[in-house]
Amino acid sequence: RKEVEQDPGPFNVPEGATVAFNCTYSNSASQSFFWYRQDCRKEPKLLMSVYSSGNEDGRFTAQLNRASQYISLLIRDSKLSDSATYLCVVNGAWGKFQFGAGTQVVVTP
Amino acid sequence: EPEVTQTPSHQVTQMGQEVILRCVPISNHLYFYWYRQILGQKVEFLVSFYNNEISEKSEIFDDQFSVERPDGSNFTLKIRSTKLEDSAMYFCASNPGQDLLGGYEQYFGPGTRLTVT
Repeated sequence: RKEVEQDPGPFNVPEGATVAFNCTYSNSASQSFFWYRQDCRKEPKLLMSVYSSGNEDGRFTAQLNRASQYISLLIRDSKLSDSATYLCVVNGAWGKFQFGAGTQVVVTP
Repeated sequence: EPEVTQTPSHQVTQMGQEVILRCVPISNHLYFYWYRQILGQKVEFLVSFYNNEISEKSEIFDDQFSVERPDGSNFTLKIRSTKLEDSAMYFCASNPGQDLLGGYEQYFGPGTRLTVT
């Protein structure tokens, strides 16, 4: 089983719509979780950390389900600029980031 | 806003040659990392570095790889004898703190695209 798994997509989303996707992780001892976005051939950029209670940042909402070992990201009111690959990141001990392969989101006019 | 910088943006080298990829982490950060991303694949952890020594490394980071912080600002990744399969984007990252739980976000540089011919 892969350490961090994501649906590769693409998720084709009309502008203004809502899209949500999950990421599962295999290490039950994992403590820290993040969503990064990556544009084509660019560096990963931090979107948000994921907290146990769930958290929201504008149009983005992240949830953590420890029992089922998954995290989720929901994007409301999608913008064209939200088109990107969203990377699920699970942080191991001493900063060893484990990346998922990414979920591609394509927002269409 | 402070950012991680990397040079060069693109490096082309012949198989068997040594390359040094350079990074300048954010100035008050103490923990430094290298990752690589082969085209079309996921980002992979290579090594973490703190207090002038390696704290974690992956199975990818074999004897051909080394890291160094030669001065107060630069952080380098050296590949001694490059192979075709070393062709990838190499990202440097840094953060101000770290602990056993790994709770700190990392900030990534723009990457160096390494092409081995």
